[in-house]
Amino acid sequence: EPEVTQTPSHQVTQMGQEVILRCVPISNHLYFYWYRQILGQKVEFLVSFYNNEISEKSEIFDDQFSVERPDGSNFTLKIRSTKLEDSAMYFCASRQGSGTQYFGPGTRLTVL
Amino acid sequence: TQLLEQSPQFLSIQEGENLTVYCNSSSVFSSLQWYRQEPGEGPVLLVTVVTGGEVKKLKRLTFQFGDARKDSSLHITAAQPGDTGLYLCAGFIIQGAQKLVFGQGTRLTINP
Repeated sequence: EPEVTQTPSHQVTQMGQEVILRCVPISNHLYFYWYRQILGQKVEFLVSFYNNEISEKSEIFDDQFSVERPDGSNFTLKIRSTKLEDSAMYFCASRQGSGTQYFGPGTRLTVL
Repeated sequence: TQLLEQSPQFLSIQEGENLTVYCNSSSVFSSLQWYRQEPGEGPVLLVTVVTGGEVKKLKRLTFQFGDARKDSSLHITAAQPGDTGLYLCAGFIIQGAQKLVFGQGTRLTINP
């Protein structure tokens, strides 16, 4: 069964460093998403991406964040200068048309 | 403000008992999804409900969408230790919305 994959599974970085989280959505899906989940809190929407552009973003998704689909398979989330409060699980999701979003296993980001 | 409120947040019961988890909102949802999330992993979709009053069954799990599409419930019959996990409800507030809104989750523990 096709699934969303994410790398790395864990990322540890120093505050102020740039990180890139990578996702490979399900191959025939057209809509791509990033969510995050701070430990003990609910899953929060960050950004949606369709047709090579951002279609919606939350207030969390400030200028420090960017997304890119550099080729036909990868979808990346970049954090330019990480802060302590960026520590969280980051989930990529994708969907084909309307309705169901399928989530990847997540990347645990720890900012020291 | 909690758009989607789940109750209870924690539930611990004995194997064989029945339970119901609730997901409530003051907003109307175009569709609502139930996920299960294991520690350190991404949410895994259990079911999507779309029509008010809709009932879907998945083995011992019964999902219902409220008539007004503002609430949903998950009922588990004869709970088993394998049902232990975090159950999340999530939904789209409007048709065609990109942003999936999550509840805070119900952590269920089934004791043998």
